[in-house]
Amino acid sequence: EVQLVESGGGLVQPGGSLRLSCAASGFTFSNSWMSWVRQAPGKGLEWVANIKQDGSEKYYVDSVRGRFTISRDSAKNSLYLQMNSLRVEDTAVYYCARAQSGYYTRYYYYYMDVWGKGTTVTVSS
Amino acid sequence: SYELTQPPSVSVSPGQTASITCSGDKLDDKYACWYQQKPGQSPVLVIYQDTKRPSGIPERFSASNSGNTATLTISGTQPMDEADYYCQAWDYSTGVVFGGGTKLTVL
Repeated sequence: EVQLVESGGGLVQPGGSLRLSCAASGFTFSNSWMSWVRQAPGKGLEWVANIKQDGSEKYYVDSVRGRFTISRDSAKNSLYLQMNSLRVEDTAVYYCARAQSGYYTRYYYYYMDVWGKGTTVTVSS
Repeated sequence: SYELTQPPSVSVSPGQTASITCSGDKLDDKYACWYQQKPGQSPVLVIYQDTKRPSGIPERFSASNSGNTATLTISGTQPMDEADYYCQAWDYSTGVVFGGGTKLTVL
């Protein structure tokens, strides 16, 4: 069974740090782009970051660039999100997702076909 | 930065057809996909590459993408289809872009 399981969420004070993990199973982790997506309470989905299969390319939403770092360890089939300088507005459920990407006809596609159940990050004093 | 706009809410009667739109500049120059999210659950992919359904997604879910608008259509809407729906596309300068989401009410 294809599965993603996030962990590492919790309560942290503003300015603090947290490291999220995502354990992948049931598919060849090293073949897939991976993403982190978050959802603030009562709000919509927001893409946070993604990483190429070999870790050579990483992309971030502007609001976290310079504070968050995405990484992966194919030997452990795991995805990570190091979050530093956390702000109240980073409070959200953080989802790990497997992505499918590439070119089809003329255009590039990127979509997320497997999602974890999420881990909750609360930034509050 | 690139933006996708969805109506906040759509209502439909059971058995009728629901249409949810997603607007973005020259959206048909990109591939759109759609996710369904029920309360307390993770998102589920229901449409990818504009019109394709993943395995396990009912045939009543279909979609199109033309000009500046992508549309998700649910034919014969069932009460179990009540959920939030998000469109998403990839933009070279912005990255992964989600629409704001549409709450579908079946009443």
